[in-house]
Amino acid sequence: DAMVIQNPRYQVTQFGKPVTLSCSQTLNHNVMYWYQQKSSQAPKLLFHYYDKDFNNEADTPDNFQSRRPNTSFCFLDIRSPGLGDAAMYLCATSREWTPPYNEQFFGPGTRLTVL
Amino acid sequence: GQQVMQIPQYQHVQEGEDFTTYCNSSTTLSNIQWYKQRPGGHPVFLIQLVKSGEVKKQKRLTFQFGEAKKNSSLHITATQTTDVGTYFCAGGSGNTGKLIFGQGTTLQVKP
Repeated sequence: DAMVIQNPRYQVTQFGKPVTLSCSQTLNHNVMYWYQQKSSQAPKLLFHYYDKDFNNEADTPDNFQSRRPNTSFCFLDIRSPGLGDAAMYLCATSREWTPPYNEQFFGPGTRLTVL
Repeated sequence: GQQVMQIPQYQHVQEGEDFTTYCNSSTTLSNIQWYKQRPGGHPVFLIQLVKSGEVKKQKRLTFQFGEAKKNSSLHITATQTTDVGTYFCAGGSGNTGKLIFGQGTTLQVKP
């Protein structure tokens, strides 16, 4: 089945220790997104790629970086995690950026704990 | 900036009762999408509305997009315990594909 896969599902890191979360998709979608979701809140868009074109949200901290080496994979790098970065990180894809083809397919998420 | 407000934040119903969640945008939307997130799960796409006044149905779920394309609603008839979760609306504006998520409505269903 075509899907969005995230690894690991749970990640524990220490304060200030870099961490990388990964996402892969078999849907062959052009757009990949990274969201941060804290408890009882809506997903917050960090950035998205259209193909290899990177688009950062204005309020995404510099501490968060992303790479998309090919169509299938996308990585989220947190350079120096703080306690406030503990959250669920959701990867999503969509066929296109604009409606009506921008329905998003989410992966299961990686829950990040910062000690 | 653009905001999408969603109410209520929480709703507890008895199984078999109806449920409605509402979304309102400060600006005209190009489209609105609805997602469901089960407890401990990830958002799952339910539907997209793009036309003014559009109404779509999925079994017991009815989705509406307002005439002015600034509001939307999701109505569930005769709730079941499987309907438990958080329902998010997400609006897009202009030609951008960026979705602004509402705060979500968490539905609890008592059997």
